[in-house]
Amino acid sequence: EDQVTQSPEALRLQEGESSSLNCSYTVSGLRGLFWYRQDPGKGPEFLFTLYSAGEEKEKERLKATLTKKESFLHITAPKPEDSATYLCAVPFLQGAQKLVFGQGTRLTINP
Amino acid sequence: SAVISQKPSRDICQRGTSLTIQCQVDSQVTMMFWYRQQPGQSLTLIATANQGSEATYESGFVIDKFPISRPNLTFSTLTVSNMSPEDSSIYLCSVPALVYPYEQYFGPGTRLTVT
Repeated sequence: EDQVTQSPEALRLQEGESSSLNCSYTVSGLRGLFWYRQDPGKGPEFLFTLYSAGEEKEKERLKATLTKKESFLHITAPKPEDSATYLCAVPFLQGAQKLVFGQGTRLTINP
Repeated sequence: SAVISQKPSRDICQRGTSLTIQCQVDSQVTMMFWYRQQPGQSLTLIATANQGSEATYESGFVIDKFPISRPNLTFSTLTVSNMSPEDSSIYLCSVPALVYPYEQYFGPGTRLTVT
């Protein structure tokens, strides 16, 4: 069964304090891994797609990387507006367009 | 990416009643997905709605409780029937991108509270 596990559940940082969020997965034949940002009371906002081990994607202060068993979302010198829940997801084995989500990491950046 | 709207944005309902949530997309899409996000939890797929066919439900979700309509390629509804407080959640619709690997784009969600 495809599983996605995110850690930590919650992370509190000071503004400017860099860190990383983890997403580990057990799937048969990875067909992409997605990162989303979700603000309270809103739908998830798509951030990145990673296709294969070794791939990296960047957007502003965020950089996503992928290995054969996990993905990291690195946040460099975060600002309070980066506070959100970050979700990763992978496609189901049975249907490539259905996604299974991790539990998310709730990130808080204190000014 | 598609622009997706949902109605209502939130509602408070009494137990035993039903609520229909609408999802409108600004482009034609074959598949639409409905998710539930319980308080403090991640997203769980309820069903896949294809135009012109019956919705496909995930384990733990049944058509009698969550009937879905898909009358055309830009619109879908999800009904939450005979509600109980356990149905209090955010309900989200999404559509996949047109090309592989089909990342999904989400609507703003409907926050449902059942009293």
